Amino acid sequence: DTGVSQDPRHKITKRGQNVTFRCDPISEHNRLYWYRQTLGQGPEFLTYFQNEAQLEKSRLLSDRFSAERPKGSFSTLEIQRTEQGDSAMYLCASSVGKGAGQFFGPGTRLTVL
Amino acid sequence: KNEVEQSPQNLTAQEGEFITINCSYSVGISALHWLQQHPGGGIVSLFMLSSGKKKHGRLIATINIQEKHSSLHITASHPRDSAVYICAVRPSSGAGSYQLTFGKGTKLSVIP
Repeated sequence: DTGVSQDPRHKITKRGQNVTFRCDPISEHNRLYWYRQTLGQGPEFLTYFQNEAQLEKSRLLSDRFSAERPKGSFSTLEIQRTEQGDSAMYLCASSVGKGAGQFFGPGTRLTVL
Repeated sequence: KNEVEQSPQNLTAQEGEFITINCSYSVGISALHWLQQHPGGGIVSLFMLSSGKKKHGRLIATINIQEKHSSLHITASHPRDSAVYICAVRPSSGAGSYQLTFGKGTKLSVIP
């Protein structure tokens, strides 16, 4: 499989629990992006990595959110003490360079009860 | 006001019709993307363009940089074209020039 993969595809959790999502980008892509999409809206930027460096975080990313890309390959997005407002589709994308198109994964749909 | 505006928000068409979805943006951009999202969430990139026109099969995308406007056309529409079509732009400079800003999407339903 040469596309962007995300795991899990669906996650249901209770409010207050911690969740972690994983994204595996296309292997030669050095740039990785996380987006969040709520129902009826377009995706919104969360954070961006170039190799292992996290170069930008959106104001949408509260202190409860943390993302890592420890070896410049896969990335994880953790949400601590989940709230119902965190329910959304979390999308990961990767690209080979700034001018290149972004390839999206299938997303992880989070439902916080 | 959103930096990227799409119209219409919803569109229902009969199979075979020619479809146009519009996207207007307010910032200088280095590239504009048209994306397709099917139920279940997966996003597929259809086009990335910075000038002129691109064509792939029954899909055509055009952009007018001076007018800050792009259109996505679907010829001979088919029920399998039913999806949400999203316009996204990458700003040309400044902070955030590596990230995409998305429109809210246009939900297309093609009826047999």
